[in-house]
Amino acid sequence: GQQLNQSPQSMFIQEGEDVSMNCTSSSIFNTWLWYKQDPGEGPVLLIALYKAGELTSNGRLTAQFGITRKDSFLNISASIPSDVGIYFCARETSGSRLTFGEGTQLTVNP
Amino acid sequence: SQTIHQWPATLVQPVGSPLSLECTVEGTSNPNLYWYRQAAGRGLQLLFYSVGIGQISSEVPQNLSASRPQDRQFILSSKKLLLSDSGFYLCAWSPGQGPGYTFGSGTRLTVV
Repeated sequence: GQQLNQSPQSMFIQEGEDVSMNCTSSSIFNTWLWYKQDPGEGPVLLIALYKAGELTSNGRLTAQFGITRKDSFLNISASIPSDVGIYFCARETSGSRLTFGEGTQLTVNP
Repeated sequence: SQTIHQWPATLVQPVGSPLSLECTVEGTSNPNLYWYRQAAGRGLQLLFYSVGIGQISSEVPQNLSASRPQDRQFILSSKKLLLSDSGFYLCAWSPGQGPGYTFGSGTRLTVV
């Protein structure tokens, strides 16, 4: 019940295309987090969501906290080569621990 | 401002050798500290976390151990490395409230 199911596992797109990925769970969460990991680096927080139905943007990135509190979506508009990386959803558990999804590997072709 | 330092960046160790990875945080006090492992560029697995000096919680049984000798220092160790210990090890800290999770730049460990 605490596992995060993230899809798709990988995406290959052309520069300028929009991207959408999602994360689901059988459990209800109070917080959804989206991270990006550049190759060879640690993940960096992109967006944090705290309320069901919340829609939050960060530049070309938009994330939504699902109404059921069991899913979340991340959209990237007008992709550019530097969007390449692995995108993770995550949730907080007790003790401020984070559980991560398996990630979506994004490749952007120029 | 707060910064997190993790070293070394890469490490190649023979099977059976010991391991010591160090992580330090600057610019904050009493942080929560974490060690994660990432295999094959995929999901991150929480190995250990600490809410204070000498307080270590292990998430999964394994060949590794962690210690927190000082408030802002977190060490990941092994007495004898296994091939399966290879991976990308990430240290992280948080203030304990909110999503202020900051990762270090990671250590790529290859056990040969």
